[in-house]
Amino acid sequence: GENVEQHPSTLSVQEGDSAVIKCTYSDSASNYFPWYKQELGKRPQLIIDIRSNVGEKKDQRIAVTLNKTAKHFSLHITETQPEDSAVYFCAERGGSSNTGKLIFGQGTTLQVKP
Amino acid sequence: NAGVTQTPKFQVLKTGQSMTLQCAQDMNHNSMYWYRQDPGMGLRLIYYSASEGTTDKGEVPNGYNVSRLNKREFSLRLESAAPSQTSVYFCASYRATDTQYFGPGTRLTVL
Repeated sequence: GENVEQHPSTLSVQEGDSAVIKCTYSDSASNYFPWYKQELGKRPQLIIDIRSNVGEKKDQRIAVTLNKTAKHFSLHITETQPEDSAVYFCAERGGSSNTGKLIFGQGTTLQVKP
Repeated sequence: NAGVTQTPKFQVLKTGQSMTLQCAQDMNHNSMYWYRQDPGMGLRLIYYSASEGTTDKGEVPNGYNVSRLNKREFSLRLESAAPSQTSVYFCASYRATDTQYFGPGTRLTVL
């Protein structure tokens, strides 16, 4: 069945370092890959997304890369700041889905130490 | 434009009680979803509604029912609450070529 594996489950970095979170998916027809950030006690919010016809997308300090052959995609955060501390979820939408249904990874708790 | 709204924000129930969680969106989205989030378990889909008049089971539907009242509203009902249903519940909505937008969540405790 559809599945998304997310690693690592926890990540601790020093302020200013980079952080990388990786997700692997199983559905070769998947065509949409969003990343959500969830701060403590808040709702998940979209921070960046990528579609299957693009290999990389950047937005200031965050970037997402997609390797369709290997079926994995990664979130890269550069020059991390304490406010980047949160839980990050990757997700994928299957190519056969016209319902918008997303399959989520288990989440990565990122801690940025000042 | 409020986006996705949920009521109530917090609720405490006793085992066996029933309640309905309300969700509404004002973005004219066709699809709506209910998730539960437990510590360390990520977001698990309970039910979804691809369009007005349709509902489908997600990953963890047991113990829940849903109603897509109209295009704006999608409710989740617990008929006989159990402690295992203690969780944070998120509603989300979606429009084609866009992404899912989440409501603020309902924190439910079942004693």
